[in-house]
Amino acid sequence: EVQLVESGGGLIQRGGSLRLSCAVSGFSVRNNYISWVRQAPGKGLEWVSVTDSDGTTYYADSVRGRFTVSRDNSKNTLYLQMNSLRAEDTGVYHCGRGGAYGLDVWGQGTTVTVSS
Amino acid sequence: QSALTQPASVSGSLGQSITISCTGTSSDVGGHNYVSWYQQHPGRAPKLMIYDVTNRPSGVSNRFSGSKSGNTASLTISGLQAEDEADYYCSSYTSSSTLGIFGGGTELTVL
Repeated sequence: EVQLVESGGGLIQRGGSLRLSCAVSGFSVRNNYISWVRQAPGKGLEWVSVTDSDGTTYYADSVRGRFTVSRDNSKNTLYLQMNSLRAEDTGVYHCGRGGAYGLDVWGQGTTVTVSS
Repeated sequence: QSALTQPASVSGSLGQSITISCTGTSSDVGGHNYVSWYQQHPGRAPKLMIYDVTNRPSGVSNRFSGSKSGNTASLTISGLQAEDEADYYCSSYTSSSTLGIFGGGTELTVL
């Protein structure tokens, strides 16, 4: 079964750091595009990053320089390292298979709350 | 990069048909056939309903259909059912960015 499972969310103070995980099963992260998409409370979807099959990651302007994606092929897992967190980073973070062309499978999401 | 434009809300009665629009520019919706539509129930992950403008993933009801004219894509749901009540988001590939772009979302109410 194709599945993505996010973890690592929580309550963190402004300026702090958090690392999210996206554990993949049923397909290889090495051969697929994987995106992170977030949703602020009561708001719409916002693309955070896209990692291509070569492992190159592209970031939204709002997170570039603060967020970093890494990939562990042996664990079939993608990580989102989030530094210098701001209140506006609060939301549910989903990972999904695919990129700018569309996401065909999504994880259930993990919640990040940045407190001031 | 501004979000694609969707109506904030639409409503329809059980059994009727509704259409949700998604308006962009020639750099995204109008210039490429990579428009997707997602359904999201409260507290749940988005689910892909339409990809590449008109294609339905396996398992998605044929009551859902997609189309495009110029810079505007549309999602039509026919034979509305209670379980169709959800938020719907469009997304598109854009030549202005390496990331995609989402619409602001449309809340569908089934009366």
